[in-house]
Amino acid sequence: DTAVSQTPKYLVTQMGNDKSIKCEQNLGHDTMYWYKQDSKKFLKIMFSYNNKELIINETVPNRFSPKSPDKAHLNLHINSLELGDSAVYFCASSQAVASGGEQFFGPGTRLTVL
Amino acid sequence: GDSVTQMEGPVTLSEEAFLTINCTYTATGYPSLFWYVQYPGEGLQLLLKATKADDKGSNKGFEATYRKETTSFHLEKGSVQVSDSAVYFCALNVNKLVFGAGTILRVKS
Repeated sequence: DTAVSQTPKYLVTQMGNDKSIKCEQNLGHDTMYWYKQDSKKFLKIMFSYNNKELIINETVPNRFSPKSPDKAHLNLHINSLELGDSAVYFCASSQAVASGGEQFFGPGTRLTVL
Repeated sequence: GDSVTQMEGPVTLSEEAFLTINCTYTATGYPSLFWYVQYPGEGLQLLLKATKADDKGSNKGFEATYRKETTSFHLEKGSVQVSDSAVYFCALNVNKLVFGAGTILRVKS
């Protein structure tokens, strides 16, 4: 059974399009995250939700909008895609935000903007 | 702000060699420290963690000790295998996970 799943695994699209990535976790966790990994493997947090409420919103263009319909799902919608958005996006979840909490990562979505 | 610095890669070793990947951190408060591993084409997995000073985390032959006096959490393994080839991330958590830049490890047979 997959703990954190993401769809799609690969996404190739043209500049200017709007796309969504979906994430689901079946671990019963309260907190979910989106990370962006660039071509040099550098990982940066984008957003975090705790019980459907936004708690971390790093400096991310407002073309990126997370949505959490319930605490098991956190989707990422991206408007007006740009070349620089090409990256691997990882969803993660954890039991709590507090220090010491292990995060469980999904397999990633490789987004390529042409 | 909180930050993690880890040694640049790639690190290339022969099978059965000794591995050290250095990691130092800067944090306000008392962070938990983690090593995550990312195998090719996969997401990150927790390798080991330590939540307070002098704790040693260990898993799959890897070890790291939380050293508050040197603000370090170096990863070690006595004898690496080809299957250990991956990207290794050091991270700290005070109220969010902050990752180091990652170190690519290549083990050749």
